[in-house]
Amino acid sequence: GQNIDQPTEMTATEGAIVQINCTYQTSGFNGLFWYQQHAGEAPTFLSYNVLDGLEEKGRFSSFLSRSKGYSYLLLKELQMKDSASYLCAVQDSNYQLIWGAGTKLIIKP
Amino acid sequence: IAGITQAPTSQILAAGRRMTLRCTQDMRHNAMYWYRQDLGLGLRLIHYSNTAGTTGKGEVPDGYSVSRANTDDFPLTLASAVPSQTSVYFCASSPDPIGNEQFFGPGTRLTVL
Repeated sequence: GQNIDQPTEMTATEGAIVQINCTYQTSGFNGLFWYQQHAGEAPTFLSYNVLDGLEEKGRFSSFLSRSKGYSYLLLKELQMKDSASYLCAVQDSNYQLIWGAGTKLIIKP
Repeated sequence: IAGITQAPTSQILAAGRRMTLRCTQDMRHNAMYWYRQDLGLGLRLIHYSNTAGTTGKGEVPDGYSVSRANTDDFPLTLASAVPSQTSVYFCASSPDPIGNEQFFGPGTRLTVL
């Protein structure tokens, strides 16, 4: 079966750094996506990795290791507005996205 | 309009009734998708369309149907609603199915009683 695992909830302090992990087992791999979803809103795109390594985009970075079926999203200089759920999704061999349940990130002052 | 819109924003529906959720995008994207999002679960794909005139079944298609008569519109129909279809429904689109980010509509919150 196909499976995406990520922690249910994490707590971090404003100004700090947090790493959200995602492990996956899917039928095929055509890329991994990270999305941000604020409560009551639609998901919005953060990053896309298809090759191994680190992709940096401002305060957010995403890492991929295809051999380990592993990715992480790194958020630096946390701000209160970063309080949201972070969704990991893998595009499988049929080019469909398989989604994790999301990690709710709580930022404390 | 700019982007992707959904209607209605929310709806309360009696079980057994027929309901169509509307989705329109003006980005000329080829691919469109319908997901449902339930507490504690990831987004689950209901149906998709890789291009106008074609549709496919996702992970949870039972009880739902779609059509893609043109590029812009992708309505989702519940033929006879059941309480287990209570959920938040998101429509999304992407330029094409391969390797592109998906853009999401604001969602429809549906309650079936």
